[in-house]
Amino acid sequence: AQKITQTQPGMFVQEKEAVTLDCTYDTSDQSYGLFWYKQPSSGEMIFLIYQGSYDEQNATEGRYSLNFQKARKSANLVISASQLGDSAMYFCAMREGTKSFQKLVFGTGTRLLVSP
Amino acid sequence: EPEVTQTPSHQVTQMGQEVILRCVPISNHLYFYWYRQILGQKVEFLVSFYNNEISEKSEIFDDQFSVERPDGSNFTLKIRSTKLEDSAMYFCASSAGSYNEQFFGPGTRLTVL
Repeated sequence: AQKITQTQPGMFVQEKEAVTLDCTYDTSDQSYGLFWYKQPSSGEMIFLIYQGSYDEQNATEGRYSLNFQKARKSANLVISASQLGDSAMYFCAMREGTKSFQKLVFGTGTRLLVSP
Repeated sequence: EPEVTQTPSHQVTQMGQEVILRCVPISNHLYFYWYRQILGQKVEFLVSFYNNEISEKSEIFDDQFSVERPDGSNFTLKIRSTKLEDSAMYFCASSAGSYNEQFFGPGTRLTVL
């Protein structure tokens, strides 16, 4: 079974609109962390936002927020006021529990295209 | 802002040759990682390194791979005898603590001919 599922291979959004990128995860651990990374066409991986499983509030970082629904095992990334520079691949990743706490498991990614 | 750096940005090698990929993690970070991304696929964990030893490795990280921290700043990944399927982008990452976010370098694109 996939640990991280990103069901949207591609998403389109107009500049200045908000967009939600979906991520669901599968774990039996109580303690885990969820991450979002951005990969522009240049290839580097840029850390965006983190949500811990025990965090009660949804994480926010500037225009990025994480819609964390623990019971549904989802950790969707919301980008508000999209900009042309947001066009990139976006990866959701999970760090599980205490057995494998250093290993990030990535999803297959969602390619976001922001149009003027 | 401190960042992870990697050299070279692109390495082309012949099958069977040894390659060494180099990384300089963020200076006060204690945990170091290597990941790889085959073209068009997802990022895969290879190995994590802490306190001068491997703390975790994936099934991909077989005897052909090794990591080293030869001095206080560099972190290297060696592939002893490259195969065609080793062609990928290799990312180094570092984190301040085991539960902190991992910051990635820009990657080294390895092409094995």
